[in-house]
Amino acid sequence: NAGVTQTPKFQVLKTGQSMTLQCAQDMNHEYMSWYRQDPGMGLRLIHYSVGAGITDQGEVPNGYNVSRSTTEDFPLRLLSAAPSQTSVYFCASSYSREQFFGPGTRLTVL
Amino acid sequence: GQSLEQPSEVTAVEGAIVQINCTYQTSGFYGLSWYQQHDGGAPTFLSYNALDGLEETGRFSSFLSRSDSYGYLLLQELQMKDSASYFCAVLNNAGNMLTFGGGTRLMVKP
Repeated sequence: NAGVTQTPKFQVLKTGQSMTLQCAQDMNHEYMSWYRQDPGMGLRLIHYSVGAGITDQGEVPNGYNVSRSTTEDFPLRLLSAAPSQTSVYFCASSYSREQFFGPGTRLTVL
Repeated sequence: GQSLEQPSEVTAVEGAIVQINCTYQTSGFYGLSWYQQHDGGAPTFLSYNALDGLEETGRFSSFLSRSDSYGYLLLQELQMKDSASYFCAVLNNAGNMLTFGGGTRLMVKP
């Protein structure tokens, strides 16, 4: 099993550009989520999904969209990138109380 | 809203015991989790407490007091590889949302 995979590992965007961060898991987990982590801080929940076709907002959803068309994939879209979205983004999946995190995407918005 | 407080930094020597405290304010509390994160890495799950009391997993133990909105992570027989950041996180909203504290950076010295 590959676990939770994320692409790309690194990305640089200009202000106003859009992009999609990819996340996939091969553990058949119903629950998936996206977090951002700013330097020296904890993770903050952006969006989550409890199953295919179901998504909900987390703590900091503004500026981000998600969709969940399959159990395996949970992409995160930045609609119009802003410097405040410079962060490390982690995707996670879970079947119980333990969340399995992907390796992260380091995003810089200039 | 949710808030969690934990010390920002703790230093201990190899072989010692260290306790990392976490206090929280939240609604719809389900349980308290602990995650470890090495520099540049992804968070990894350590423990989860839903009920009052102590849970032991090898060198690590976690405690919860729901009435005091308080928990701690106890690390015994510290090793250099335990140098990392440790995050407490509250699970709430029917178990769908994980809110992280700011993290405690543990430095283990020889």
